[in-house]
Amino acid sequence: QKEVEQNSGPLSVPEGAIASLNCTYSDRGSQSFFWYRQYSGKSPELIMFIYSNGDKEDGRFTAQLNKASQYVSLLIRDSQPSDSATYLCAVARAAGNKLTFGGGTRVLVKP
Amino acid sequence: DTGVSQDPRHKITKRGQNVTFRCDPISEHNRLYWYRQTLGQGPEFLTYFQNEAQLEKSRLLSDRFSAERPKGSFSTLEIQRTEQGDSAMYLCASNPTGALGSGYTFGSGTRLTVV
Repeated sequence: QKEVEQNSGPLSVPEGAIASLNCTYSDRGSQSFFWYRQYSGKSPELIMFIYSNGDKEDGRFTAQLNKASQYVSLLIRDSQPSDSATYLCAVARAAGNKLTFGGGTRVLVKP
Repeated sequence: DTGVSQDPRHKITKRGQNVTFRCDPISEHNRLYWYRQTLGQGPEFLTYFQNEAQLEKSRLLSDRFSAERPKGSFSTLEIQRTEQGDSAMYLCASNPTGALGSGYTFGSGTRLTVV
């Protein structure tokens, strides 16, 4: 079992719709959770992070964390073609510790 | 430029040669991380430093790999006797120590091709 698991996709979403991405993790000691976006050939860029159970919203993005179920998700509202990328979920045991990444979910937003 | 800087951006080398990459983190960040990413996979942790101290090194990391951060500022990653399986994107990231709420900022990466 991988430490951080994501569906590789591709997740095909019509423009304007909501994209829903899921991530599960195996280490119950994980405390901080991150979503990165990575365009082809580029390095990962941080979208948002979450530490507490519940929802956290930032613009069109909402992260959801459920530590009991070891599950974190990302919702992208009003999806745009520019959102087409690979989305990486990452977890860390504590602030400043190494990140452990999932394999990423490829998202395709179709006009 | 206040971002994480990596050099070179691309490196093509023959199998068996040694290569060295450099990373300059964000100046106020005292933690520095190295990751490797192959096509279709997420970044894989290699090693990280707090200031000049190497705090953790992946058990999967071959003895051919070594990293340094001699003065707690920039870091180098050296791969000796390169193999074709070393072909990947090598990413560097930095982060302020223990700063809850801070993200990890990645550099643009060094793409290594071993022929």
